[in-house]
Amino acid sequence: NAGVMQNPRHLVRRRGQEARLRCSPMKGHSHVYWYRQLPEEGLKFMVYLQKENIIDESGMPKERFSAEFPKEGPSILRIQQVVRGDSAAYFCASSPRSYNSPLHFGNGTRLTVT
Amino acid sequence: GQQLNQNPQSMFIQEGEDVSMNCTSSSIFNTWLWYKQDPGEGPVLLIALYKAGELTSNGRLTAQFGITRKDSFLNISASIPSDVGIYFCAGDSGGSQGNLIFGKGTKLSVKP
Repeated sequence: NAGVMQNPRHLVRRRGQEARLRCSPMKGHSHVYWYRQLPEEGLKFMVYLQKENIIDESGMPKERFSAEFPKEGPSILRIQQVVRGDSAAYFCASSPRSYNSPLHFGNGTRLTVT
Repeated sequence: GQQLNQNPQSMFIQEGEDVSMNCTSSSIFNTWLWYKQDPGEGPVLLIALYKAGELTSNGRLTAQFGITRKDSFLNISASIPSDVGIYFCAGDSGGSQGNLIFGKGTKLSVKP
């Protein structure tokens, strides 16, 4: 029973490029969440999606960041025109339902902006 | 906004010792979760608590949801080298499901 799969594990981008991070939830999970973690910090909520719907994007920067979870395929977190401050570990989590379901996290994508 | 204060920030213990860490907040939480994160990996859920006063065990780990709903603690008994890692508490933000507030973590190092 595969866990939450994220790829790539490491991503290096130059300033101004686009970063695309992918997340496949656990089998049977229809709720996906993206979190960001800076070094020596806890995780910060970014966005919560269900299939084809954004439920809560209150933690996502208004500019340059977008997320989707299409009917088919993985969830994508997209960062346009990356800046050095976007360097962080980005974690995806999934759950089977929306109430009292603990989040199960993937191993993250470590984005480095040079 | 809501914040979780996690203590201690780090600790060194001898193998076999018991460990205790806690999380406190000025706000009420309806859910408390404890995660462990190893270097280069994602957080792994250890224990989930949903009721005030609830005491739950998972092997050598025991966690409690404080009666006031503003705190939680995690105990590890008879620590072993593989307990090394960073332990995070997390609470529901009161917003949407999955919008969790995380503490900054307690880094545990065990002397063999």
